[in-house]
Amino acid sequence: DVKVTQSSRYLVKRTGEKVFLECVQDMDHENMFWYRQDPGLGLRLIYFSYDVKMKEKGDIPEGYSVSREKKERFSLILESASTNQTSMYLCASSLRDSRVYGYTFGSGTRLTVV
Amino acid sequence: GNSVTQMEGPVTLSEEAFLTINCTYTATGYPSLFWYVQYPGEGLQLLLKATKADDKGSNKGFEATYRKETTSFHLEKGSVQVSDSAVYFCALIRSGGGADGLTFGKGTHLIIQP
Repeated sequence: DVKVTQSSRYLVKRTGEKVFLECVQDMDHENMFWYRQDPGLGLRLIYFSYDVKMKEKGDIPEGYSVSREKKERFSLILESASTNQTSMYLCASSLRDSRVYGYTFGSGTRLTVV
Repeated sequence: GNSVTQMEGPVTLSEEAFLTINCTYTATGYPSLFWYVQYPGEGLQLLLKATKADDKGSNKGFEATYRKETTSFHLEKGSVQVSDSAVYFCALIRSGGGADGLTFGKGTHLIIQP
C-alpha cells in the first residue's frame, strides 16, 4: 500500500528550539507539500516542492523553512519554535499533474510548543 | 484567487438519514474538485473526485457531481452510518494543475448518532 509517512505523531518542544518534521513518500511523486491545520482556519499551505532541491512558499511560510535533498523526503524546519506554531502539521505528495489523482496525505504530526 | 466555501457545522444526523454537505467554489477555468475525509486523529484521505463538468465522483456510498453552471460540488449519501462521523473537506486544484497546492474549504464536522 502506497503511503506518506510522517516521523512523529506527537511532539512537544520548548520555545526557541529548532524543530525538524520529517516526511517520506514511497510513490515516486514529484510534488510534496506541508500544511498546518488549526481549528477555525482549516488547512493552510506552508511550503511545497515540485522537484529535488526546489521549494516554493505557500500562504504562510513565515517562521518555517524546508529541505528536499532526495525525491522521497521533504523536511519542515521551525528555525526557532514559538507557541503560535502549536498545530497539526500534515505532509502530502502528488504526481506532477495533481489534477487527476489529487494528493496523498500522511497521518499528521501534532506539535505542541511550550 | 481560488476559494472553496462549505458549511462548517457541526452537522448532526441520526443513523440512516440522508446527508448533504454543500460546497461551492470560485476559480478560473476548469478546476479539478475533490472531497477528502479526516477521521479523528488521522490525516486526510481522498474520498472522491471529479475532473470535468458533469462528472460524478463516488466512493463508499458517497457521491458528488461537478456542476459548472452553479460552481458547486455537493457531497451526498443516502443513508449515513455512525462510522461516517468525521470532518469532510471540499477542495480544488486549479486548471493548470501543478504544484501550487490544493485549495481547501474549512471542513464540515459530521456527527452521526445511533
